[in-house]
Amino acid sequence: DSGVTQTPKHLITATGQRVTLRCSPRSGDLSVYWYQQSLDQGLQFLIQYYNGEERAKGNILERFSAQQFPDLHSELNLSSLELGDSALYFCASSPGVAGYNEQFFGPGTRLTVL
Amino acid sequence: KNEVEQSPQNLTAQEGEFITINCSYSVGISALHWLQQHPGGGIVSLFMLSSGKKKHGRLIATINIQEKHSSLHITASHPRDSAVYICAGGTGNQFYFGTGTSLTVIP
Repeated sequence: DSGVTQTPKHLITATGQRVTLRCSPRSGDLSVYWYQQSLDQGLQFLIQYYNGEERAKGNILERFSAQQFPDLHSELNLSSLELGDSALYFCASSPGVAGYNEQFFGPGTRLTVL
Repeated sequence: KNEVEQSPQNLTAQEGEFITINCSYSVGISALHWLQQHPGGGIVSLFMLSSGKKKHGRLIATINIQEKHSSLHITASHPRDSAVYICAGGTGNQFYFGTGTSLTVIP
Protein backbone atom coordinates (compact mmCIF):
# COMPACT_ATOMS: atom_id res chain seq x y z
CA ASP A 1 0.00 0.00 0.00
CA SER A 2 1.57 3.25 -1.20
CA GLY A 3 -0.54 5.48 1.01
CA VAL A 4 -2.05 7.21 -2.04
CA THR A 5 -5.77 6.74 -2.48
CA GLN A 6 -7.88 7.25 -5.57
CA THR A 7 -11.62 7.20 -6.00
CA PRO A 8 -13.57 5.82 -7.65
CA LYS A 9 -11.90 2.57 -8.69
CA HIS A 10 -14.06 2.18 -11.74
CA LEU A 11 -16.17 4.63 -13.67
CA ILE A 12 -18.42 3.93 -16.62
CA THR A 13 -20.00 6.84 -18.41
CA ALA A 14 -21.20 7.99 -21.80
CA THR A 15 -19.66 10.20 -24.46
CA GLY A 16 -20.19 13.89 -23.84
CA GLN A 17 -20.39 13.49 -20.08
CA ARG A 18 -18.18 15.02 -17.37
CA VAL A 19 -16.48 13.12 -14.55
CA THR A 20 -14.26 13.95 -11.59
CA LEU A 21 -11.48 11.71 -10.34
CA ARG A 22 -10.15 12.20 -6.86
CA CYS A 23 -6.71 11.60 -5.37
CA SER A 24 -5.44 11.86 -1.81
CA PRO A 25 -1.65 11.94 -1.54
CA ARG A 26 0.51 10.28 1.10
CA SER A 27 0.60 12.13 4.37
CA GLY A 28 3.21 14.88 4.11
CA ASP A 29 3.57 14.80 0.32
CA LEU A 30 3.03 18.15 -1.33
CA SER A 31 3.21 17.14 -4.99
CA VAL A 32 0.48 15.35 -6.89
CA TYR A 33 0.94 14.06 -10.43
CA TRP A 34 -1.74 12.82 -12.81
CA TYR A 35 -1.07 10.24 -15.50
CA GLN A 36 -3.14 8.60 -18.21
CA GLN A 37 -2.49 5.06 -19.37
CA SER A 38 -4.29 3.92 -22.48
CA LEU A 39 -3.71 0.76 -24.49
CA ASP A 40 -2.40 2.55 -27.57
CA GLN A 41 -0.48 5.42 -25.92
CA GLY A 42 1.03 3.86 -22.82
CA LEU A 43 1.65 6.05 -19.78
CA GLN A 44 1.47 9.79 -20.34
CA PHE A 45 2.12 12.60 -17.92
CA LEU A 46 -0.82 14.98 -17.65
CA ILE A 47 -0.15 17.55 -14.97
CA GLN A 48 1.60 18.20 -11.65
CA TYR A 49 0.51 20.28 -8.68
CA TYR A 50 2.71 21.31 -5.81
CA ASN A 51 1.21 22.71 -2.62
CA GLY A 52 -1.87 23.96 -4.41
CA GLU A 53 -0.15 25.47 -7.45
CA GLU A 54 0.13 24.06 -10.95
CA ARG A 55 3.79 23.15 -11.41
CA ALA A 56 4.14 21.32 -14.68
CA LYS A 57 1.95 20.47 -17.59
CA GLY A 58 2.25 17.53 -19.93
CA ASN A 59 -0.06 16.20 -22.61
CA ILE A 60 -3.25 17.33 -20.96
CA LEU A 61 -6.16 18.09 -23.24
CA GLU A 62 -8.06 21.37 -22.95
CA ARG A 63 -11.16 19.35 -22.01
CA PHE A 64 -9.32 18.17 -18.92
CA SER A 65 -8.52 20.27 -15.87
CA ALA A 66 -7.18 19.64 -12.40
CA GLN A 67 -6.75 21.35 -9.11
CA GLN A 68 -5.19 20.75 -5.73
CA PHE A 69 -7.06 21.83 -2.65
CA PRO A 70 -5.73 23.28 0.63
CA ASP A 71 -5.88 19.82 2.26
CA LEU A 72 -3.63 18.69 -0.65
CA HIS A 73 -6.08 16.30 -2.22
CA SER A 74 -6.44 16.73 -5.96
CA GLU A 75 -9.19 16.32 -8.50
CA LEU A 76 -8.94 15.68 -12.21
CA ASN A 77 -11.97 16.84 -14.18
CA LEU A 78 -12.63 15.32 -17.58
CA SER A 79 -15.36 16.87 -19.70
CA SER A 80 -16.97 16.30 -23.11
CA LEU A 81 -15.77 12.75 -22.84
CA GLU A 82 -14.87 10.82 -25.96
CA LEU A 83 -14.40 7.10 -26.52
CA GLY A 84 -10.65 7.67 -26.69
CA ASP A 85 -10.59 8.98 -23.14
CA SER A 86 -11.17 5.45 -21.87
CA ALA A 87 -8.03 4.66 -19.91
CA LEU A 88 -6.52 4.07 -16.52
CA TYR A 89 -5.87 7.31 -14.69
CA PHE A 90 -3.19 7.24 -12.02
CA CYS A 91 -2.18 9.83 -9.55
CA ALA A 92 1.12 9.80 -7.72
CA SER A 93 2.52 11.88 -4.91
CA SER A 94 5.98 12.88 -3.78
CA PRO A 95 7.39 14.99 -1.00
CA GLY A 96 9.08 17.54 -3.22
CA VAL A 97 8.53 19.38 -6.42
CA ALA A 98 11.25 18.14 -8.74
CA GLY A 99 11.39 15.27 -11.20
CA TYR A 100 14.08 13.55 -9.21
CA ASN A 101 11.79 12.78 -6.28
CA GLU A 102 10.51 9.23 -5.87
CA GLN A 103 6.82 9.00 -6.64
CA PHE A 104 4.23 6.86 -4.92
CA PHE A 105 1.37 5.72 -7.12
CA GLY A 106 -2.27 5.29 -6.30
CA PRO A 107 -4.20 2.20 -7.46
CA GLY A 108 -5.73 4.05 -10.40
CA THR A 109 -9.21 4.81 -11.66
CA ARG A 110 -10.38 2.84 -14.68
CA LEU A 111 -12.55 5.04 -16.85
CA THR A 112 -14.72 3.49 -19.54
CA VAL A 113 -16.51 5.82 -21.95
CA LEU A 114 -19.32 4.16 -23.89
CA LYS B 1 11.00 8.87 -32.22
CA ASN B 2 10.15 8.50 -28.54
CA GLU B 3 12.19 10.41 -26.01
CA VAL B 4 12.56 7.20 -23.99
CA GLU B 5 13.12 3.84 -25.66
CA GLN B 6 13.06 0.48 -23.94
CA SER B 7 14.21 -2.94 -25.01
CA PRO B 8 13.21 -5.63 -25.27
CA GLN B 9 9.44 -5.15 -25.55
CA ASN B 10 8.79 -8.69 -24.38
CA LEU B 11 10.97 -11.06 -22.43
CA THR B 12 10.43 -14.64 -21.32
CA ALA B 13 12.88 -16.20 -18.88
CA GLN B 14 13.26 -19.40 -16.93
CA GLU B 15 13.18 -19.12 -13.17
CA GLY B 16 16.63 -18.36 -11.84
CA GLU B 17 17.90 -16.56 -14.93
CA PHE B 18 19.63 -13.19 -14.85
CA ILE B 19 17.52 -10.57 -16.63
CA THR B 20 18.47 -7.22 -18.12
CA ILE B 21 16.09 -4.56 -19.38
CA ASN B 22 17.52 -1.54 -21.18
CA CYS B 23 16.38 2.05 -21.39
CA SER B 24 17.81 4.81 -23.59
CA TYR B 25 16.72 8.41 -23.53
CA SER B 26 17.29 11.35 -25.80
CA VAL B 27 16.26 14.24 -23.55
CA GLY B 28 18.16 15.86 -20.72
CA ILE B 29 16.70 14.41 -17.55
CA SER B 30 17.25 15.06 -13.87
CA ALA B 31 16.35 11.52 -12.87
CA LEU B 32 15.48 8.16 -14.34
CA HIS B 33 12.68 6.17 -12.75
CA TRP B 34 12.06 2.44 -12.98
CA LEU B 35 8.48 1.36 -12.37
CA GLN B 36 6.86 -2.05 -12.05
CA GLN B 37 3.29 -2.67 -13.11
CA HIS B 38 1.62 -5.95 -12.20
CA PRO B 39 -1.22 -7.52 -14.20
CA GLY B 40 -3.76 -6.00 -11.82
CA GLY B 41 -2.60 -2.58 -12.98
CA GLY B 42 -0.99 -1.19 -9.85
CA ILE B 43 2.29 0.70 -10.31
CA VAL B 44 5.19 0.55 -7.89
CA SER B 45 8.24 2.75 -8.06
CA LEU B 46 11.34 0.53 -7.94
CA PHE B 47 14.18 3.00 -8.32
CA MET B 48 14.88 6.65 -8.89
CA LEU B 49 18.40 7.28 -10.22
CA SER B 50 20.34 10.37 -11.11
CA SER B 51 23.75 8.70 -11.23
CA GLY B 52 25.58 5.46 -10.57
CA LYS B 53 23.91 2.33 -9.32
CA LYS B 54 21.26 1.28 -6.82
CA LYS B 55 20.43 -2.14 -5.43
CA HIS B 56 17.33 -3.38 -3.69
CA GLY B 57 17.19 -7.09 -2.96
CA ARG B 58 17.55 -8.93 -6.26
CA LEU B 59 17.05 -5.79 -8.32
CA ILE B 60 19.88 -3.57 -9.52
CA ALA B 61 19.55 -0.37 -11.53
CA THR B 62 22.38 1.48 -13.21
CA ILE B 63 22.58 4.68 -15.18
CA ASN B 64 25.23 6.11 -17.49
CA ILE B 65 24.55 9.82 -17.84
CA GLN B 66 27.07 10.37 -20.66
CA GLU B 67 25.59 7.58 -22.77
CA LYS B 68 22.00 8.40 -21.72
CA HIS B 69 21.35 4.79 -20.89
CA SER B 70 20.00 2.87 -17.93
CA SER B 71 19.63 -0.81 -17.20
CA LEU B 72 17.48 -2.76 -14.79
CA HIS B 73 18.86 -6.14 -13.75
CA ILE B 74 17.02 -8.90 -11.93
CA THR B 75 19.14 -11.62 -10.43
CA ALA B 76 17.78 -15.11 -9.70
CA SER B 77 14.48 -14.29 -11.39
CA HIS B 78 11.29 -15.69 -9.94
CA PRO B 79 7.74 -16.07 -11.36
CA ARG B 80 6.57 -13.30 -9.03
CA ASP B 81 8.83 -10.93 -10.98
CA SER B 82 6.46 -11.31 -13.94
CA ALA B 83 5.22 -7.81 -14.65
CA VAL B 84 5.65 -4.88 -16.98
CA TYR B 85 8.72 -2.77 -16.25
CA ILE B 86 8.61 0.85 -17.34
CA CYS B 87 11.38 3.42 -17.36
CA ALA B 88 10.61 7.11 -17.21
CA GLY B 89 12.79 10.19 -17.50
CA GLY B 90 11.94 13.18 -15.36
CA THR B 91 12.96 16.70 -16.29
CA GLY B 92 12.05 19.81 -14.39
CA ASN B 93 8.57 19.90 -15.83
CA GLN B 94 7.94 16.75 -17.82
CA PHE B 95 7.96 13.00 -17.58
CA TYR B 96 8.68 10.81 -20.56
CA PHE B 97 7.76 7.15 -20.39
CA GLY B 98 9.09 4.14 -22.23
CA THR B 99 6.57 1.73 -23.68
CA GLY B 100 7.41 -0.91 -21.12
CA THR B 101 8.97 -4.37 -21.11
CA SER B 102 6.63 -7.25 -20.43
CA LEU B 103 8.51 -9.90 -18.44
CA THR B 104 7.28 -13.44 -17.93
CA VAL B 105 9.29 -15.75 -15.71
CA ILE B 106 8.46 -19.41 -16.16
CA PRO B 107 8.86 -21.83 -13.23
